[in-house]
Amino acid sequence: DADVTQTPRNRITKTGKRIMLECSQTKGHDRMYWYRQDPGLGLRLIYYSFDVKDINKGEISDGYSVSRQAQAKFSLSLESAIPNQTALYFCATSVLGADSGGYNEQFFGPGTRLTVL
Amino acid sequence: GENVEQHPSTLSVQEGDSAVIKCTYSDSASNYFPWYKQELGKRPQLIIDIRSNVGEKKDQRIAVTLNKTAKHFSLHITETQPEDSAVYFCAASHTGGFKTIFGAGTRLFVKA
Repeated sequence: DADVTQTPRNRITKTGKRIMLECSQTKGHDRMYWYRQDPGLGLRLIYYSFDVKDINKGEISDGYSVSRQAQAKFSLSLESAIPNQTALYFCATSVLGADSGGYNEQFFGPGTRLTVL
Repeated sequence: GENVEQHPSTLSVQEGDSAVIKCTYSDSASNYFPWYKQELGKRPQLIIDIRSNVGEKKDQRIAVTLNKTAKHFSLHITETQPEDSAVYFCAASHTGGFKTIFGAGTRLFVKA
């Protein structure tokens, strides 16, 4: 089945380290997203991309950067990790085509649990 | 900015009872309102959605209602079962929209 995958699934790191979280999808979707989930705060958008040449900041992009290496791959980097970036990170995809009727259902990956000590 | 408020944050019901989760959105251009269910340790998955051209939609034990004038929409679960226990997120976006704004989530406990 077409899916969204994330690596690693769990990561523990130290303050100041550079971390990369990777996302791959076999759904053939053009849109990809990175969200952060914290208890009581829901899912907050970090970055989103509509194609390889298009990258946009979300509501909480400070301290993060992204790279869209191919239609199927979207990576999130923490240049210098800090403890308040400890969270569950989700990659998601969507498509805006005939099948979606113009509506933007999100398909999520399994998540990466990141702990910054 | 765009915002979706969701209440309650926690809801505990007895098996067989109904559960209602309410959301309010701020962007009047929103016309698509999905609901996602996240079971413990799993990814969020779409369970039902409603578009602004209808006021209500039902799928077995789950129903959603939308009041565009008041900018309110709600999720109703009838005859709750233990497997309904999860975190539920409401969200709002619009056709061709680039961003989906999520509520903070409701943790539903169904007691057997």
